[in-house]
Amino acid sequence: AQRVTQPEKLLSVFKGAPVELKCNYSYSGSPELFWYVQYSRQRLQLLLRHISRESIKGFTADLNKGETSFHLKKPFAQEEDSAMYYCALSGKAAGNKLTFGGGTRVLVKP
Amino acid sequence: DVKVTQSSRYLVKRTGEKVFLECVQDMDHENMFWYRQDPGLGLRLIYFSYDVKMKEKGDIPEGYSVSREKKERFSLILESASTNQTSMYLCASSLRDRGYQETQYFGPGTRLLVL
Repeated sequence: AQRVTQPEKLLSVFKGAPVELKCNYSYSGSPELFWYVQYSRQRLQLLLRHISRESIKGFTADLNKGETSFHLKKPFAQEEDSAMYYCALSGKAAGNKLTFGGGTRVLVKP
Repeated sequence: DVKVTQSSRYLVKRTGEKVFLECVQDMDHENMFWYRQDPGLGLRLIYFSYDVKMKEKGDIPEGYSVSREKKERFSLILESASTNQTSMYLCASSLRDRGYQETQYFGPGTRLLVL
């Protein structure tokens, strides 16, 4: 069965410091990995996906198949990055359903 | 701009009541999903639908049913609400997958409290 693990429930960093949100997965096959974000009082929305290989709002994430990880990174955190972040996985073996991790709350302090 | 709306932001129901949660999307998406969101557990898929009158069980379908009579509307039904169904319920929609997972667009959520 596919699984997504986000080991940190809460990450607290100061503005301007680097931030890394960990995501590990288990899946037999070629996965598609995503990061979704939910800002306060807003709906959940896609932040980025690994196949796009792009940086969104300064965030990047690299799929490491050897370590089965898809960590989200930003070199200089901003206060507006404070939000709930979810890592998610999909793939043909799972009927293309999305499986979400438990989420990491990021708090960026001034 | 994709718009997914849910009929209620907050609902309070009593144990044993039948509860209907409605979701409507205006972008002609084929796929629609119902999740529940609980702290520490993330989002868990309850049911989904790839087409009108079609439904598939997700990971936690017990105690729930769904209805999709029209393409734009996907309803979640709690036949007999229980306290362990107190949660935030999120609806989402997406285009039909084309060999890769399409972006899911979420509604604002319905916070359900079962007393």
